[in-house]
Amino acid sequence: EIVMTQSPATLSVSPGERATLSCRASQSISANLAWYQQKPGQAPRLLIFGASTRATGIPARFRGSGSGTEFSLTINSLQSEDFAVYYCQQYINGPPVFGGGTKVEIK
Amino acid sequence: EVQLLDSGGGLVKPGGSLRLSCTASGFAFSGYALSWVRQAPGKGLEWVSSISGPGDDTHYADSLRGRFTISRDNSKKTLYLQMNSLTVEDAAMYFCAIGFCSPALCFPFDHWGRGTRVTVSS
Repeated sequence: EIVMTQSPATLSVSPGERATLSCRASQSISANLAWYQQKPGQAPRLLIFGASTRATGIPARFRGSGSGTEFSLTINSLQSEDFAVYYCQQYINGPPVFGGGTKVEIK
Repeated sequence: EVQLLDSGGGLVKPGGSLRLSCTASGFAFSGYALSWVRQAPGKGLEWVSSISGPGDDTHYADSLRGRFTISRDNSKKTLYLQMNSLTVEDAAMYFCAIGFCSPALCFPFDHWGRGTRVTVSS
């Protein structure tokens, strides 16, 4: 089973600044990576698939990059609604595995 | 607008059973594979099971050891998860989602229900 490792566990960022989240796969997953955002008490929301393609309705300040085993999610000019937990997930094959999450909190 | 409405959660004793439902609207239900993903309190996301659009291809997390059964009724636009022999480790919020994963092929989960909470306690 592929292991997904996210870092850091918590990221403290001031509104308007940039946040960079990392996700590492234990073996190559090509670009079969998704990012999700989850706010307290809500369901996850798909942000990015194919490592870098934004899902419908996702603002351009969210940018995904990477391939193989190293991936990142960059959020430019953080807005108040962006403070949440972010999960990466591999979907090259089953079982689909999520990373442990990165909480982006207000600094 | 795509909508997924999860229901059926509640309090159940260890060893008990529960059936979750997910009623869909806003898309061509039978043409989409669906899945269940769960989240234990304060924890991360864990895939539970997937089912193809026609309902003839199903897959499960190994950890479930055959206790759960996913099914669907396309005429009712409803997805189900029958959960048997529940343990405290099964306590979680259960989300239905549009998406699929088999050992050979996976797609991301692009729409999610709001979840239904399962509590397992004596």
